[in-house]
Amino acid sequence: QKEVEQDPGPLSVPEGAIVSLNCTYSNSAFQYFMWYRQYSRKGPELLMYTYSSGNKEDGRFTAQVDKSSKYISLFIRDSQPSDSATYLCAMTGKAAGNKLTFGGGTRVLVKP
Amino acid sequence: GAVVSQHPSRVICKSGTSVKIECRSLDFQATTMFWYRQFPKQSLMLMATSNEGSKATYEQGVEKDKFLINHASLTLSTLTVTSAHPEDSSFYICSARDWNSDKTDTQYFGPGTRLTVL
Repeated sequence: QKEVEQDPGPLSVPEGAIVSLNCTYSNSAFQYFMWYRQYSRKGPELLMYTYSSGNKEDGRFTAQVDKSSKYISLFIRDSQPSDSATYLCAMTGKAAGNKLTFGGGTRVLVKP
Repeated sequence: GAVVSQHPSRVICKSGTSVKIECRSLDFQATTMFWYRQFPKQSLMLMATSNEGSKATYEQGVEKDKFLINHASLTLSTLTVTSAHPEDSSFYICSARDWNSDKTDTQYFGPGTRLTVL
């Protein structure tokens, strides 16, 4: 079993819909949780960073962390075709060696 | 802020040659940089952790004599793929940790280097 599980998709939604992404993890040592967006043949771009359980909002993006369930989510409101990309969850922590552990990525396609 | 550059963005070389890839943090100092490899439609695989002024730490299964890493300054790390072979063809991405950031353990990624070995 992988440390971080993420549905590979593809996830296809119409423009304007809410995109819902999630990851589950097994390592209790993870303390910091991130979501990255990666366009084809580009490096990942940091979207959201969260530390504790709860919600964090930034523009059209909302990140949720539930440490008790070992479950994190990313929601994208009012999705645009430019949101079409692969979204990677990542997590780390001191007890986890301070290395990022990535999910496999979910490919999202927003259709105009 | 937190911009990381990589050079070159794309390189094509003949089998047996060595290729050097540079990773620079442009607006912050990075005591720690990371090198990843990514195959098509797969996630990033950590190859090694590069620490300024000391030897790199390689992940299990990564040949340190084949993938030479040098982190000579707080803004520059280099990855040299020695005696490259077609199976080394991949997308290589570096990242840097901003030790001044309030986002603990966050890594900022470069745009990647696509290596093709003929």
